Amino acid sequence: GAGVSQSPRYKVAKRGQDVALRCDPISGHVSLFWYQQALGQGPEFLTYFQNEAQLDKSGLPSDRFFAERPEGSVSTLKIQRTQQEDSAVYLCASSFYGTGGSINEQFFGPGTRLTVL
Amino acid sequence: QQQVKQSPQSLIVQKGGISIINCAYENTAFDYFPWYQQFPGKGPALLIAIRPDVSEKKEGRFTISFNKSAKQFSLHIMDSQPGDSATYFCAASITNAGKSTFGDGTTLTVKP
Repeated sequence: GAGVSQSPRYKVAKRGQDVALRCDPISGHVSLFWYQQALGQGPEFLTYFQNEAQLDKSGLPSDRFFAERPEGSVSTLKIQRTQQEDSAVYLCASSFYGTGGSINEQFFGPGTRLTVL
Repeated sequence: QQQVKQSPQSLIVQKGGISIINCAYENTAFDYFPWYQQFPGKGPALLIAIRPDVSEKKEGRFTISFNKSAKQFSLHIMDSQPGDSATYFCAASITNAGKSTFGDGTTLTVKP
Protein backbone atom coordinates (compact mmCIF):
# COMPACT_ATOMS: atom_id res chain seq x y z
CA GLY A 1 0.00 0.00 0.00
CA ALA A 2 0.98 3.60 -0.44
CA GLY A 3 0.00 4.83 3.00
CA VAL A 4 2.00 5.59 6.13
CA SER A 5 3.06 2.43 7.90
CA GLN A 6 4.17 2.00 11.50
CA SER A 7 5.79 -0.87 13.35
CA PRO A 8 5.32 -2.56 15.61
CA ARG A 9 1.57 -2.14 15.84
CA TYR A 10 1.60 -3.20 19.49
CA LYS A 11 4.39 -3.04 22.02
CA VAL A 12 4.39 -4.12 25.64
CA ALA A 13 7.30 -2.96 27.74
CA LYS A 14 8.24 -3.33 31.36
CA ARG A 15 8.79 -0.11 33.22
CA GLY A 16 12.35 1.04 32.72
CA GLN A 17 12.84 -0.62 29.33
CA ASP A 18 13.79 1.31 26.22
CA VAL A 19 11.55 1.11 23.14
CA ALA A 20 11.90 2.14 19.50
CA LEU A 21 8.93 2.85 17.27
CA ARG A 22 9.28 3.02 13.51
CA CYS A 23 7.46 5.11 10.93
CA ASP A 24 7.61 4.68 7.15
CA PRO A 25 6.06 7.78 5.57
CA ILE A 26 4.49 7.99 2.16
CA SER A 27 7.26 7.94 -0.43
CA GLY A 28 8.34 11.44 -1.38
CA HIS A 29 6.71 13.14 1.57
CA VAL A 30 8.90 15.91 2.92
CA SER A 31 7.33 16.43 6.33
CA LEU A 32 6.93 13.89 9.11
CA PHE A 33 5.14 14.30 12.42
CA TRP A 34 4.85 12.27 15.62
CA TYR A 35 1.80 12.54 17.87
CA GLN A 36 0.86 10.85 21.14
CA GLN A 37 -2.77 9.83 21.63
CA ALA A 38 -3.86 8.89 25.13
CA LEU A 39 -6.98 6.79 25.56
CA GLY A 40 -10.11 8.83 24.88
CA GLN A 41 -8.22 11.94 23.85
CA GLY A 42 -7.11 13.66 20.71
CA PRO A 43 -3.58 13.34 19.33
CA GLU A 44 -0.99 15.61 20.92
CA PHE A 45 1.97 16.89 18.92
CA LEU A 46 5.39 15.56 19.82
CA THR A 47 7.81 16.55 17.07
CA TYR A 48 8.15 17.50 13.39
CA PHE A 49 10.76 16.85 10.71
CA GLN A 50 11.27 18.46 7.36
CA ASN A 51 13.42 15.99 5.46
CA GLU A 52 16.15 15.06 7.98
CA ALA A 53 15.95 18.28 9.96
CA GLN A 54 14.01 18.24 13.21
CA LEU A 55 12.36 21.65 13.09
CA ASP A 56 10.13 21.41 16.15
CA LYS A 57 10.46 19.16 19.17
CA SER A 58 8.49 21.32 21.55
CA GLY A 59 5.97 18.56 22.29
CA LEU A 60 8.41 15.93 23.52
CA PRO A 61 7.38 15.44 27.17
CA SER A 62 10.83 14.76 28.58
CA ASP A 63 14.43 14.09 27.65
CA ARG A 64 13.57 10.39 27.68
CA PHE A 65 11.92 10.92 24.29
CA PHE A 66 14.10 11.15 21.22
CA ALA A 67 13.24 11.10 17.51
CA GLU A 68 15.37 10.91 14.40
CA ARG A 69 14.99 10.80 10.64
CA PRO A 70 18.59 10.48 9.47
CA GLU A 71 18.00 10.08 5.72
CA GLY A 72 14.83 12.11 5.42
CA SER A 73 12.52 9.14 5.00
CA VAL A 74 12.04 6.54 7.77
CA SER A 75 11.79 7.92 11.29
CA THR A 76 12.26 6.33 14.68
CA LEU A 77 10.80 7.52 17.96
CA LYS A 78 12.77 6.22 20.92
CA ILE A 79 11.59 6.28 24.51
CA GLN A 80 14.17 5.52 27.18
CA ARG A 81 13.40 4.17 30.64
CA THR A 82 9.69 3.86 29.89
CA GLN A 83 7.17 4.86 32.55
CA GLN A 84 3.53 3.86 32.93
CA GLU A 85 2.42 7.33 31.86
CA ASP A 86 4.05 6.70 28.48
CA SER A 87 1.31 4.18 27.68
CA ALA A 88 -0.52 5.56 24.65
CA VAL A 89 -0.90 5.21 20.91
CA TYR A 90 1.93 6.86 19.03
CA LEU A 91 0.85 8.17 15.65
CA CYS A 92 3.04 9.14 12.75
CA ALA A 93 1.86 11.43 9.95
CA SER A 94 3.48 12.65 6.77
CA SER A 95 2.85 15.50 4.40
CA PHE A 96 3.96 16.02 0.81
CA TYR A 97 4.91 19.62 1.38
CA GLY A 98 7.44 21.28 3.56
CA THR A 99 7.39 24.82 4.86
CA GLY A 100 5.77 27.10 2.33
CA GLY A 101 3.34 24.55 0.98
CA SER A 102 0.20 22.85 2.18
CA ILE A 103 2.02 21.41 5.12
CA ASN A 104 -1.22 21.04 7.01
CA GLU A 105 -2.50 18.14 4.87
CA GLN A 106 -1.24 15.28 6.96
CA PHE A 107 -1.75 11.58 6.32
CA PHE A 108 -1.69 9.40 9.42
CA GLY A 109 -0.45 5.88 9.98
CA PRO A 110 -2.36 3.31 12.08
CA GLY A 111 -0.27 3.99 15.15
CA THR A 112 1.72 1.90 17.62
CA ARG A 113 -0.06 1.06 20.85
CA LEU A 114 2.49 1.11 23.67
CA THR A 115 1.62 -0.44 27.00
CA VAL A 116 4.08 -0.03 29.85
CA LEU A 117 3.58 -2.45 32.72
CA GLN B 1 -4.55 25.55 28.41
CA GLN B 2 -6.72 23.70 25.92
CA GLN B 3 -6.56 25.61 22.67
CA VAL B 4 -9.27 23.64 20.85
CA LYS B 5 -12.43 22.64 22.70
CA GLN B 6 -14.77 20.11 21.12
CA SER B 7 -18.34 19.17 21.98
CA PRO B 8 -20.26 17.01 22.52
CA GLN B 9 -18.12 14.19 23.82
CA SER B 10 -20.55 11.65 22.39
CA LEU B 11 -23.50 11.80 20.03
CA ILE B 12 -26.21 9.35 19.04
CA VAL B 13 -28.15 10.00 15.85
CA GLN B 14 -30.75 8.04 13.94
CA LYS B 15 -29.96 6.91 10.41
CA GLY B 16 -30.81 9.69 8.00
CA GLY B 17 -30.47 12.39 10.63
CA ILE B 18 -28.02 15.29 10.86
CA SER B 19 -24.96 14.99 13.10
CA ILE B 20 -23.48 18.26 14.37
CA ILE B 21 -20.16 18.56 16.18
CA ASN B 22 -18.80 21.85 17.42
CA CYS B 23 -15.33 23.22 18.09
CA ALA B 24 -14.04 26.45 19.54
CA TYR B 25 -10.50 27.75 19.39
CA GLU B 26 -8.53 30.43 21.19
CA ASN B 27 -5.48 31.21 19.07
CA THR B 28 -6.41 33.73 16.37
CA ALA B 29 -3.26 32.82 14.46
CA PHE B 30 -4.78 29.47 13.49
CA ASP B 31 -5.55 29.50 9.77
CA TYR B 32 -6.33 25.90 8.85
CA PHE B 33 -9.14 23.88 10.39
CA PRO B 34 -9.46 20.20 9.42
CA TRP B 35 -11.83 17.51 10.61
CA TYR B 36 -10.61 13.94 10.96
CA GLN B 37 -12.49 10.65 11.19
CA GLN B 38 -10.99 7.81 13.20
CA PHE B 39 -12.12 4.21 13.35
CA PRO B 40 -10.93 1.87 16.14
CA GLY B 41 -7.40 0.65 15.52
CA LYS B 42 -6.81 3.12 12.71
CA GLY B 43 -5.13 6.48 12.45
CA PRO B 44 -7.15 9.66 11.88
CA ALA B 45 -8.15 10.28 8.26
CA LEU B 46 -8.73 13.75 6.89
CA LEU B 47 -12.40 14.33 6.05
CA ILE B 48 -12.67 17.97 5.13
CA ALA B 49 -10.84 21.19 5.94
CA ILE B 50 -11.46 24.92 5.77
CA ARG B 51 -9.47 28.12 5.87
CA PRO B 52 -10.87 31.26 7.56
CA ASP B 53 -11.43 33.18 4.32
CA VAL B 54 -14.66 31.24 3.70
CA SER B 55 -17.62 30.65 6.00
CA GLU B 56 -18.71 27.27 4.67
CA LYS B 57 -17.31 24.34 2.74
CA LYS B 58 -19.26 21.33 1.56
CA GLU B 59 -17.99 17.98 0.32
CA GLY B 60 -20.69 15.42 -0.27
CA ARG B 61 -22.61 14.85 2.96
CA PHE B 62 -20.00 16.72 5.03
CA THR B 63 -20.12 20.49 5.61
CA ILE B 64 -17.90 22.73 7.70
CA SER B 65 -19.38 25.97 8.96
CA PHE B 66 -16.86 28.56 10.16
CA ASN B 67 -17.49 31.65 12.30
CA LYS B 68 -14.29 33.67 12.52
CA SER B 69 -15.61 36.34 14.89
CA ALA B 70 -16.85 33.74 17.35
CA LYS B 71 -13.76 31.58 16.86
CA GLN B 72 -15.96 28.55 16.28
CA PHE B 73 -16.39 25.95 13.58
CA SER B 74 -18.62 22.95 13.21
CA LEU B 75 -19.01 19.75 11.23
CA HIS B 76 -22.40 18.80 9.85
CA ILE B 77 -22.98 15.27 8.57
CA MET B 78 -26.14 15.11 6.51
CA ASP B 79 -28.12 11.89 6.01
CA SER B 80 -26.01 10.15 8.66
CA GLN B 81 -25.35 6.45 8.04
CA PRO B 82 -24.32 3.61 10.38
CA GLY B 83 -20.99 3.53 8.52
CA ASP B 84 -20.36 7.08 9.78
CA SER B 85 -20.11 5.70 13.34
CA ALA B 86 -16.60 6.68 14.40
CA THR B 87 -14.70 9.23 16.47
CA TYR B 88 -14.40 12.67 14.94
CA PHE B 89 -11.67 15.16 15.78
CA CYS B 90 -11.45 18.81 14.94
CA ALA B 91 -8.03 20.36 14.69
CA ALA B 92 -6.40 23.71 14.09
CA SER B 93 -2.99 24.74 12.87
CA ILE B 94 -0.94 27.62 11.60
CA THR B 95 0.21 27.27 8.00
CA ASN B 96 3.92 26.52 7.85
CA ALA B 97 4.14 25.89 11.58
CA GLY B 98 3.67 22.17 11.09
CA LYS B 99 1.91 20.87 14.15
CA SER B 100 -1.86 20.49 14.53
CA THR B 101 -3.75 21.03 17.78
CA PHE B 102 -6.61 18.57 18.19
CA GLY B 103 -9.85 18.59 20.13
CA ASP B 104 -10.62 15.68 22.43
CA GLY B 105 -12.93 13.96 19.96
CA THR B 106 -16.61 13.13 19.58
CA THR B 107 -17.80 9.54 19.43
CA LEU B 108 -20.64 9.36 16.93
CA THR B 109 -23.06 6.44 16.88
CA VAL B 110 -25.58 6.29 14.07
CA LYS B 111 -28.43 3.92 14.87
CA PRO B 112 -30.04 1.99 12.01
